[in-house]
Amino acid sequence: EPEVTQTPSHQVTQMGQEVILRCVPISNHLYFYWYRQILGQKVEFLVSFYNNEISEKSEIFDDQFSVERPDGSNFTLKIRSTKLEDSAMYFCASSKLGGHQPQHFGDGTRLSIL
Amino acid sequence: GDSVTQMEGPVTLSEEAFLTINCTYTATGYPSLFWYVQYPGEGLQLLLKATKADDKGSNKGFEATYRKETTSFHLEKGSVQVSDSAVYFCALGPQGAQKLVFGQGTRLTINP
Repeated sequence: EPEVTQTPSHQVTQMGQEVILRCVPISNHLYFYWYRQILGQKVEFLVSFYNNEISEKSEIFDDQFSVERPDGSNFTLKIRSTKLEDSAMYFCASSKLGGHQPQHFGDGTRLSIL
Repeated sequence: GDSVTQMEGPVTLSEEAFLTINCTYTATGYPSLFWYVQYPGEGLQLLLKATKADDKGSNKGFEATYRKETTSFHLEKGSVQVSDSAVYFCALGPQGAQKLVFGQGTRLTINP
């Protein structure tokens, strides 16, 4: 069964550095998402992306964050000038359609900011 | 704003016991409701969903009914197995939005 893949599984970065988290969504899916889960807290929506532009974003997704689909298969989340509080598990998801069609999640990237 | 509240975990049961994990929500309009499951070391997998009031979602022996009058979507299974041990997340999809809003997750452990 096709799946969403995320790399790396664990990323350790110094505070203030930029980090790029990578995702390969399921190939025929059109909607892409990023969520994060800070340890011990809820899974939180960051952003959704459709037709090469952001379709929805949360208050968390400020100027520090950006997303890109650089080619036909990858979907990336860039965090500029990372802060300690950016440490979390980041999940990528994709869905064939919008409107709450099932979202398929990757296994996540654990980001640790030192 | 939209929110989801799940029963506190962890929950520990014996094999073949009856399972209920409570979930209530706050939302405007007509959200869709979901249960996701996360097995150790894996991502979230959709377990079941319901898109309108009185709909029952079911999968792998799990069931949940969308109750608008009580704003609830409780997860049930009649006879759990050791392989059901995982973290279960209740979530809602607000009407007109793409995002999912998650509850805090309930860790379930089934002992043989």
